[in-house]
Amino acid sequence: IAGITQAPTSQILAAGRRMTLRCTQDMRHNAMYWYRQDLGLGLRLIHYSNTAGTTGKGEVPDGYSVSRANTDDFPLTLASAVPSQTSVYFCASSEGQGANIQYFGAGTRLSVL
Amino acid sequence: GQNIDQPTEMTATEGAIVQINCTYQTSGFNGLFWYQQHAGEAPTFLSYNVLDGLEEKGRFSSFLSRSKGYSYLLLKELQMKDSASYLCAVTDSNYQLIWGAGTKLIIKP
Repeated sequence: IAGITQAPTSQILAAGRRMTLRCTQDMRHNAMYWYRQDLGLGLRLIHYSNTAGTTGKGEVPDGYSVSRANTDDFPLTLASAVPSQTSVYFCASSEGQGANIQYFGAGTRLSVL
Repeated sequence: GQNIDQPTEMTATEGAIVQINCTYQTSGFNGLFWYQQHAGEAPTFLSYNVLDGLEEKGRFSSFLSRSKGYSYLLLKELQMKDSASYLCAVTDSNYQLIWGAGTKLIIKP
């Protein structure tokens, strides 16, 4: 079944540790996104990529980095996790940038202690 | 600044009709989306409006007024499975999606 796969599903992480959240899509979408979702707040864009080889900063990029070596994969790295990064992280993709439908992965629930 | 407002929570009865409102102030406008998100799950696409008027899709309809910065999602013949959060999102002048905090809809029998 085509779609977006995120891993891990959930993780408990000690503060200061490095963590990479994985995201893979098989729809050959050009654009990919990382969001975090916190209670009472809307989805907030962390980083995005309009096409393989390019990335951009979203609304809340500090403490996070991404890479887009190919069309399918878009990993998100927390270099040194802090408790404020406790959240649910969603990866999404769309055919192109702009007003295109975004398709979401199932999410990664991350707790930083 | 950019802002999207929607009610935090609404309650409705099974079989009834409910209207979820969304008002927005964004730098530019390139379309408005509605997504549904069940608890613990990912958001899924419901509707897209870029021109003024009503878009109907089965039990769900979405309305847009660009001059008023206003949209609503209308759900008819409510079913228990419609209990979810409904997210309004606007594409701004940079073609980035700005998301509202979502409206939690509770359906009672």
